[in-house]
Amino acid sequence: AQKITQTQPGMFVQEKEAVTLDCTYDTSDPSYGLFWYKQPSSGEMIFLIYQGSYDQQNATEGRYSLNFQKARKSANLVISASQLGDSAMYFCAMGPRVRGGGADGLTFGKGTHLIIQP
Amino acid sequence: GAVVSQHPSWVICKSGTSVKIECRSLDFQATTMFWYRQFPKQSLMLMATSNEGSKATYEQGVEKDKFLINHASLTLSTLTVTSAHPEDSSFYICSARGVEQFFGPGTRLTVL
Repeated sequence: AQKITQTQPGMFVQEKEAVTLDCTYDTSDPSYGLFWYKQPSSGEMIFLIYQGSYDQQNATEGRYSLNFQKARKSANLVISASQLGDSAMYFCAMGPRVRGGGADGLTFGKGTHLIIQP
Repeated sequence: GAVVSQHPSWVICKSGTSVKIECRSLDFQATTMFWYRQFPKQSLMLMATSNEGSKATYEQGVEKDKFLINHASLTLSTLTVTSAHPEDSSFYICSARGVEQFFGPGTRLTVL
């Protein structure tokens, strides 16, 4: 079974600061994918970044980067130069290594509520 | 990017009635779609995997007779909540597998 743990229920960060959202995972599968999604108050799930278990380099997508430490089973999301519009729930998820997912759905963590303060 | 739509975006119904939620992939074909449920201030929980042309696969603890899933075409999956009760009130989100797993905007169900 796969498990995702997000230990930060909520975070307050000053605008323009960098923020790190923690995520640890547990799985017995050698092949897996790690995902981060943003969920604003509207409820939509916005894909942010993906990391495959065999990827040698940490994934980056604009202001988002994923600090992947395989031995520690952690996949922290780093947002550089935070903006007011970054305020939302952030979910870490695990699924098949194929970026689009395979036949299985995603397992989500409980999420972190990030609030950016001006 | 690829778009997944859901209809309706919100619905209020009386206890005992059935509610159908549609999930459509608008610009790509999706052989597999997923249905999630999210209770307030909680995470998304996978309910079932919907496969085009075959029976859905349900997660443990999800009643397949209560949550009927039909994936009749490569662009449409439907979730029917039968005999809905107040405890079924939740945010239902579908996703479709393409290059990435694209999520729909969700359907907020309130059962009175």
